[in-house]
Amino acid sequence: KAGVTQTPRYLIKTRGQQVTLSCSPISGHRSVSWYQQTPGQGLQFLFEYFSETQRNKGNFPGRFSGRQFSNSRSEMNVSTLELGDSALYLCASSLNTNVRASYEQYFGPGTRLTVT
Amino acid sequence: GESVGLHLPTLSVQEGDNSIINCAYSNSASDYFIWYKQESGKGPQFIIDIRSNMDKRQGQRVTVLLNKTVKHLSLQIAATQPGDSAVYFCAETLGNNLFFGTGTRLTVIP
Repeated sequence: KAGVTQTPRYLIKTRGQQVTLSCSPISGHRSVSWYQQTPGQGLQFLFEYFSETQRNKGNFPGRFSGRQFSNSRSEMNVSTLELGDSALYLCASSLNTNVRASYEQYFGPGTRLTVT
Repeated sequence: GESVGLHLPTLSVQEGDNSIINCAYSNSASDYFIWYKQESGKGPQFIIDIRSNMDKRQGQRVTVLLNKTVKHLSLQIAATQPGDSAVYFCAETLGNNLFFGTGTRLTVIP
């Protein structure tokens, strides 16, 4: 069974640009979550999608958005990039959307975004 | 978000010894906790979870202990192996969201 895949793996952008990252979940998984990982802030939850609907959202500005397609693949978009957006962006998929159920998420390798 | 912190940012242990990684959480309403392992160049990997109605849970070579009185979580790894070298994160749930600690880097000395 293929794992979670993310593309691209590495990306360099300049301030003010926008970027779209892609995530393909494990086959059969309908929940996709996105996280930002930085050395200073650690892993922070961005948002979660289930059946093409955003179910949960973290505390990030509106420049961060996402969507999910009917095949459960998900994209996240960051507009008007800032230097502080440089991070590893991780996608995770799971069968369950309820974190109080067994929340066995499977993470992808991440997309390393560098903003210059 | 909620404060989920770690007592030690780094931990070095001899191969074969037991490792203990600690985590403090701030919200007594958190009812579900997870430990993740992240190796270099990879995403986090689920290790073990525990609900707030338990104080101990065991997996293969790992044990998670939960002390709700002092809001403390620990991960014990038995007979630590070189392959255990990684960054370990604890995470707590509040509502339907996960909050992660910043991580502890475990280095196993052969």
